[in-house]
Amino acid sequence: GDSVTQMEGPVTLSEEAFLTINCTYTATGYPSLFWYVQYPGEGLQLLLKATKADDKGSNKGFEATYRKETTSFHLEKGSVQVSDSAVYFCALRFKAAGNKLTFGGGTRVLVKP
Amino acid sequence: DVKVTQSSRYLVKRTGEKVFLECVQDMDHENMFWYRQDPGLGLRLIYFSYDVKMKEKGDIPEGYSVSREKKERFSLILESASTNQTSMYLCASSFHREGTEAFFGQGTRLTVV
Repeated sequence: GDSVTQMEGPVTLSEEAFLTINCTYTATGYPSLFWYVQYPGEGLQLLLKATKADDKGSNKGFEATYRKETTSFHLEKGSVQVSDSAVYFCALRFKAAGNKLTFGGGTRVLVKP
Repeated sequence: DVKVTQSSRYLVKRTGEKVFLECVQDMDHENMFWYRQDPGLGLRLIYFSYDVKMKEKGDIPEGYSVSREKKERFSLILESASTNQTSMYLCASSFHREGTEAFFGQGTRLTVV
């Protein structure tokens, strides 16, 4: 079945460091890909998305590119802030799978001042 | 603003009780989802619904049932609560259209004692 694998955390960084969170997927078709973020005590909110190969999603300084050849959607940010401390989830979704969202296990990121 | 509202942020119930978790969305979304979130396990899909009165099992439906009598409301029912159902429960909704994102509620932290 469809699945998403993302790097395990926690990831601990200093402020202004470069962040990468790896995400790879397995799917029988061509899904849409998403990154969600969960701040402490809150629900999930969409960070960015890409719906076809080579699309780049971006938001709040975060970027991810849909790479069909490597079935990947790695999240990057050039200079993190303390306020980026959160749990990040990679997810996929496509109609052939009933349109449900399939999530990776989540990566906790802690940014220290 | 899209709103997905879960009826309670925190709930404490006794083993064997019947528990209802309610979720309401205001965006006329066709799809609605119930996930549970546990440390180290990420988000796991319990049930989803793509239309009124329609439902499909997710990855972990055992011990749960759902009800969708109106488009905007999706209820999760624990028929006889057990301690292993202590968890964070997240409701989400989305359009059926491919590539669209899901919107999440704030979550209900359920403790079964």
